[in-house]
Amino acid sequence: SQQGEEDPQALSIQEGENATMNCSYKTSINNLQWYRQNSGRGLVHLILIRSNEREKHSGRLRVTLDTSKKSSSLLITASRAADTASYFCALGRSNYQLIWGAGTKLIIKP
Amino acid sequence: GAVVSQHPSRVICKSGTSVKIECRSLDFQATTMFWYRQFPKKSLMLMATSNEGSKATYEQGVEKDKFLINHASLTLSTLTVTSAHPEDSSFYICSASDGTGNSPLHFGNGTRLTVT
Repeated sequence: SQQGEEDPQALSIQEGENATMNCSYKTSINNLQWYRQNSGRGLVHLILIRSNEREKHSGRLRVTLDTSKKSSSLLITASRAADTASYFCALGRSNYQLIWGAGTKLIIKP
Repeated sequence: GAVVSQHPSRVICKSGTSVKIECRSLDFQATTMFWYRQFPKKSLMLMATSNEGSKATYEQGVEKDKFLINHASLTLSTLTVTSAHPEDSSFYICSASDGTGNSPLHFGNGTRLTVT
Protein backbone atom coordinates (compact mmCIF):
# COMPACT_ATOMS: atom_id res chain seq x y z
CA SER A 1 0.00 0.00 0.00
CA GLN A 2 1.24 3.47 -0.78
CA GLN A 3 -0.68 5.12 1.98
CA GLY A 4 0.76 6.06 5.31
CA GLU A 5 0.05 3.63 8.09
CA GLU A 6 -0.31 5.07 11.52
CA ASP A 7 -0.02 3.50 14.88
CA PRO A 8 -1.47 3.33 17.31
CA GLN A 9 -5.01 3.62 15.94
CA ALA A 10 -6.08 5.01 19.28
CA LEU A 11 -4.18 6.40 22.23
CA SER A 12 -5.52 7.44 25.62
CA ILE A 13 -3.22 9.15 28.12
CA GLN A 14 -3.39 11.37 31.17
CA GLU A 15 -3.11 15.11 30.84
CA GLY A 16 0.49 16.18 31.24
CA GLU A 17 1.95 13.02 29.73
CA ASN A 18 3.64 12.90 26.35
CA ALA A 19 1.88 11.39 23.35
CA THR A 20 3.75 9.72 20.51
CA MET A 21 2.20 8.72 17.19
CA ASN A 22 3.97 6.97 14.37
CA CYS A 23 3.56 6.91 10.62
CA SER A 24 5.18 4.37 8.29
CA TYR A 25 5.07 4.36 4.53
CA LYS A 26 6.41 2.49 1.52
CA THR A 27 6.64 5.03 -1.28
CA SER A 28 9.12 7.82 -1.96
CA ILE A 29 8.17 11.23 -0.65
CA ASN A 30 9.03 14.89 -1.05
CA ASN A 31 7.72 15.74 2.37
CA LEU A 32 5.58 14.39 5.16
CA GLN A 33 2.89 16.44 6.81
CA TRP A 34 0.94 16.07 10.03
CA TYR A 35 -2.60 17.32 10.41
CA ARG A 36 -5.05 17.45 13.27
CA GLN A 37 -8.82 17.01 13.05
CA ASN A 38 -11.24 17.81 15.82
CA SER A 39 -14.44 15.77 15.72
CA GLY A 40 -16.74 16.85 12.89
CA ARG A 41 -14.39 19.54 11.67
CA GLY A 42 -11.89 20.11 8.90
CA LEU A 43 -8.18 19.43 9.22
CA VAL A 44 -5.57 21.81 10.52
CA HIS A 45 -2.00 21.67 9.30
CA LEU A 46 0.52 21.15 12.10
CA ILE A 47 3.97 20.56 10.65
CA LEU A 48 5.57 19.83 7.28
CA ILE A 49 8.94 18.10 7.28
CA ARG A 50 10.87 17.80 4.05
CA SER A 51 12.54 14.59 2.95
CA ASN A 52 15.99 16.05 3.62
CA GLU A 53 15.10 17.06 7.18
CA ARG A 54 15.35 14.79 10.20
CA GLU A 55 13.60 16.71 12.95
CA LYS A 56 11.35 19.69 13.31
CA HIS A 57 9.80 21.49 16.27
CA SER A 58 6.78 23.69 16.68
CA GLY A 59 5.82 24.63 20.21
CA ARG A 60 4.97 21.39 22.06
CA LEU A 61 5.17 19.39 18.83
CA ARG A 62 8.22 17.50 17.67
CA VAL A 63 8.31 15.59 14.39
CA THR A 64 11.05 13.23 13.29
CA LEU A 65 11.56 11.69 9.89
CA ASP A 66 13.71 8.67 9.10
CA THR A 67 13.70 8.16 5.34
CA SER A 68 15.87 5.05 5.58
CA LYS A 69 13.19 3.39 7.72
CA LYS A 70 10.38 5.23 5.95
CA SER A 71 8.83 6.33 9.17
CA SER A 72 7.92 9.48 11.02
CA SER A 73 6.81 10.23 14.52
CA LEU A 74 4.81 13.04 16.07
CA LEU A 75 5.46 13.79 19.72
CA ILE A 76 3.18 16.04 21.71
CA THR A 77 4.76 17.00 25.01
CA ALA A 78 2.91 17.98 28.18
CA SER A 79 -0.43 17.03 26.67
CA ARG A 80 -3.57 19.02 27.40
CA ALA A 81 -7.24 18.07 27.25
CA ALA A 82 -7.54 20.37 24.22
CA ASP A 83 -5.11 18.12 22.32
CA THR A 84 -7.86 15.49 22.10
CA ALA A 85 -8.36 14.98 18.36
CA SER A 86 -7.47 12.70 15.48
CA TYR A 87 -4.02 13.12 13.99
CA PHE A 88 -3.21 12.23 10.39
CA CYS A 89 0.05 11.92 8.55
CA ALA A 90 0.05 12.76 4.85
CA LEU A 91 2.74 11.88 2.32
CA GLY A 92 3.67 14.65 -0.09
CA ARG A 93 4.80 13.34 -3.48
CA SER A 94 6.29 15.09 -6.49
CA ASN A 95 2.87 16.44 -7.45
CA TYR A 96 0.63 18.40 -5.13
CA GLN A 97 -1.49 15.47 -4.01
CA LEU A 98 -1.23 13.99 -0.55
CA ILE A 99 -1.55 10.35 0.41
CA TRP A 100 -3.28 10.06 3.76
CA GLY A 101 -2.79 7.73 6.67
CA ALA A 102 -5.74 6.28 8.58
CA GLY A 103 -5.16 8.50 11.58
CA THR A 104 -4.59 8.12 15.30
CA LYS A 105 -7.37 9.05 17.67
CA LEU A 106 -5.83 10.71 20.71
CA ILE A 107 -7.76 11.13 23.94
CA ILE A 108 -6.30 13.17 26.77
CA LYS A 109 -7.90 12.39 30.10
CA PRO A 110 -8.08 15.33 32.52
CA GLY B 1 -3.98 33.83 6.91
CA ALA B 2 -4.82 31.01 4.50
CA VAL B 3 -8.46 30.61 5.43
CA VAL B 4 -10.77 28.31 3.54
CA SER B 5 -14.49 28.77 4.04
CA GLN B 6 -16.82 25.88 3.29
CA HIS B 7 -20.57 26.29 3.20
CA PRO B 8 -22.97 24.97 4.31
CA SER B 9 -21.65 23.19 7.40
CA ARG B 10 -24.71 20.96 7.56
CA VAL B 11 -27.40 20.14 5.04
CA ILE B 12 -30.32 17.75 5.03
CA CYS B 13 -32.00 16.99 1.73
CA LYS B 14 -34.50 14.55 0.30
CA SER B 15 -33.56 11.72 -2.02
CA GLY B 16 -33.47 12.78 -5.64
CA THR B 17 -32.62 16.41 -5.01
CA SER B 18 -29.29 18.12 -5.67
CA VAL B 19 -27.07 19.83 -3.14
CA LYS B 20 -24.32 22.35 -3.81
CA ILE B 21 -21.37 22.79 -1.47
CA GLU B 22 -19.12 25.83 -1.81
CA CYS B 23 -15.47 26.12 -0.96
CA ARG B 24 -13.84 29.55 -0.93
CA SER B 25 -10.27 30.61 -0.27
CA LEU B 26 -10.66 33.91 1.54
CA ASP B 27 -7.19 35.39 1.56
CA PHE B 28 -5.20 33.56 -1.06
CA GLN B 29 -5.53 32.28 -4.59
CA ALA B 30 -6.14 28.57 -4.71
CA THR B 31 -4.61 27.18 -7.86
CA THR B 32 -5.77 23.72 -6.92
CA MET B 33 -8.63 22.54 -4.78
CA PHE B 34 -9.33 19.06 -3.54
CA TRP B 35 -12.60 17.46 -2.55
CA TYR B 36 -12.62 14.67 0.01
CA ARG B 37 -15.19 12.41 1.51
CA GLN B 38 -14.76 11.05 5.00
CA PHE B 39 -16.62 8.12 6.48
CA PRO B 40 -17.05 7.81 10.26
CA LYS B 41 -13.78 7.08 12.06
CA LYS B 42 -11.97 6.80 8.73
CA SER B 43 -9.35 8.75 6.87
CA LEU B 44 -9.96 11.11 3.99
CA MET B 45 -10.90 9.68 0.63
CA LEU B 46 -9.88 11.94 -2.24
CA MET B 47 -12.76 12.34 -4.67
CA ALA B 48 -11.37 14.79 -7.19
CA THR B 49 -8.79 17.46 -7.87
CA SER B 50 -9.81 20.67 -9.55
CA ASN B 51 -7.71 23.36 -11.16
CA GLU B 52 -9.12 26.77 -11.92
CA GLY B 53 -10.60 26.95 -15.40
CA SER B 54 -10.21 23.30 -16.29
CA LYS B 55 -12.12 20.09 -15.80
CA ALA B 56 -11.72 18.27 -12.53
CA THR B 57 -9.73 15.06 -12.32
CA TYR B 58 -11.77 12.39 -10.60
CA GLU B 59 -10.39 9.49 -8.63
CA GLN B 60 -11.21 5.97 -9.71
CA GLY B 61 -14.67 4.92 -8.62
CA VAL B 62 -16.03 8.45 -8.23
CA GLU B 63 -18.92 9.17 -10.59
CA LYS B 64 -18.22 12.47 -12.32
CA ASP B 65 -21.84 12.85 -13.42
CA LYS B 66 -23.02 12.48 -9.86
CA PHE B 67 -20.45 14.67 -8.17
CA LEU B 68 -20.15 17.77 -10.34
CA ILE B 69 -17.17 19.97 -9.58
CA ASN B 70 -16.73 23.49 -10.86
CA HIS B 71 -13.66 25.63 -10.21
CA ALA B 72 -14.65 28.82 -11.95
CA SER B 73 -12.23 31.17 -10.21
CA LEU B 74 -9.06 31.09 -8.16
CA THR B 75 -11.08 31.51 -4.98
CA LEU B 76 -14.15 29.33 -5.49
CA SER B 77 -14.83 25.69 -6.16
CA THR B 78 -18.21 24.00 -5.87
CA LEU B 79 -19.24 20.39 -5.47
CA THR B 80 -22.79 19.50 -6.49
CA VAL B 81 -24.18 16.16 -5.41
CA THR B 82 -26.84 15.39 -8.00
CA SER B 83 -29.83 13.14 -7.51
CA ALA B 84 -28.78 12.55 -3.93
CA HIS B 85 -29.26 9.12 -2.40
CA PRO B 86 -29.06 8.08 1.26
CA GLU B 87 -25.71 6.38 0.52
CA ASP B 88 -24.34 9.82 -0.35
CA SER B 89 -24.77 10.86 3.27
CA SER B 90 -21.28 11.63 4.49
CA PHE B 91 -18.84 14.31 5.59
CA TYR B 92 -17.42 16.24 2.63
CA ILE B 93 -14.30 18.35 3.06
CA CYS B 94 -12.56 20.67 0.64
CA SER B 95 -8.98 21.82 0.76
CA ALA B 96 -6.96 24.29 -1.23
CA SER B 97 -3.36 24.65 -2.23
CA ASP B 98 -1.68 27.95 -2.96
CA GLY B 99 1.52 26.53 -4.30
CA THR B 100 3.54 23.47 -5.10
CA GLY B 101 3.79 20.02 -3.62
CA ASN B 102 5.72 21.35 -0.64
CA SER B 103 2.92 23.64 0.49
CA PRO B 104 0.52 22.55 3.22
CA LEU B 105 -3.14 22.25 2.38
CA HIS B 106 -5.70 24.54 3.91
CA PHE B 107 -8.98 22.89 4.80
CA GLY B 108 -12.56 23.99 5.06
CA ASN B 109 -14.53 22.88 8.10
CA GLY B 110 -16.46 20.31 6.17
CA THR B 111 -20.09 19.75 5.25
CA ARG B 112 -22.21 17.09 6.91
CA LEU B 113 -24.68 15.89 4.27
CA THR B 114 -27.68 13.82 5.30
CA VAL B 115 -29.95 12.47 2.59
CA THR B 116 -33.35 11.28 3.81
